[in-house]
Amino acid sequence: RKEVEQDPGPFNVPEGATVAFNCTYSNSASQSFFWYRQDCRKEPKLLMSVYSSGNEDGRFTAQLNRASQYISLLIRDSKLSDSATYLCVVNIRGGNTGKLIFGQGTTLQVKP
Amino acid sequence: GAGVSQTPSNKVTEKGKYVELRCDPISGHTALYWYRQSLGQGPEFLIYFQGTGAADDSGLPNDRFFAVRPEGSVSTLKIQRTERGDSAVYLCASSSSGTSGSSADTQYFGPGTRLTVL
Repeated sequence: RKEVEQDPGPFNVPEGATVAFNCTYSNSASQSFFWYRQDCRKEPKLLMSVYSSGNEDGRFTAQLNRASQYISLLIRDSKLSDSATYLCVVNIRGGNTGKLIFGQGTTLQVKP
Repeated sequence: GAGVSQTPSNKVTEKGKYVELRCDPISGHTALYWYRQSLGQGPEFLIYFQGTGAADDSGLPNDRFFAVRPEGSVSTLKIQRTERGDSAVYLCASSSSGTSGSSADTQYFGPGTRLTVL
């Protein structure tokens, strides 16, 4: 079983749609959680951290359910520029220190 | 300012050859990480340096893989007797301290080296 599991998609949505991605992680000792974005043939970039209380950054909302070991990302009012692969990431240590464990990634295609 | 740089951007080699991949972290970053990413997969951790020493090398797949960071800045990932299964994008990342545990201690990735073993 993979340590971090995501539906690879692709998710094809029209501009303006709301789309949600989920991931699950297997190690209950995981302490910190992130979503990274990766454009085609580019490096991953931190999109946002995920906190237990849930957090929002503009059109993006991230949620964490520690009991179910489940992380989500909601994108509202999708833009063409949101087309990318979204990587769910966990870390057994606090913060962004040390070994990050990445999911396979979920591909989003936003169509005009 | 300058980000993480990696050279070469592409490397094609033959099975059995030796390769070296170089990473220049962001200036002043003490923590440096190597990951590799196969097609359709997320990055997979290889090794993490804090300064000159390897703090965690648990991701190195076997003894053909070795990495150094002799002066606590530039790092080289070395692969001996390359195999076709080593073909992947090798990503390097750096962060400012790697010890704080702060959520602000972001890992910044370089563009990667695409290694192809024929």
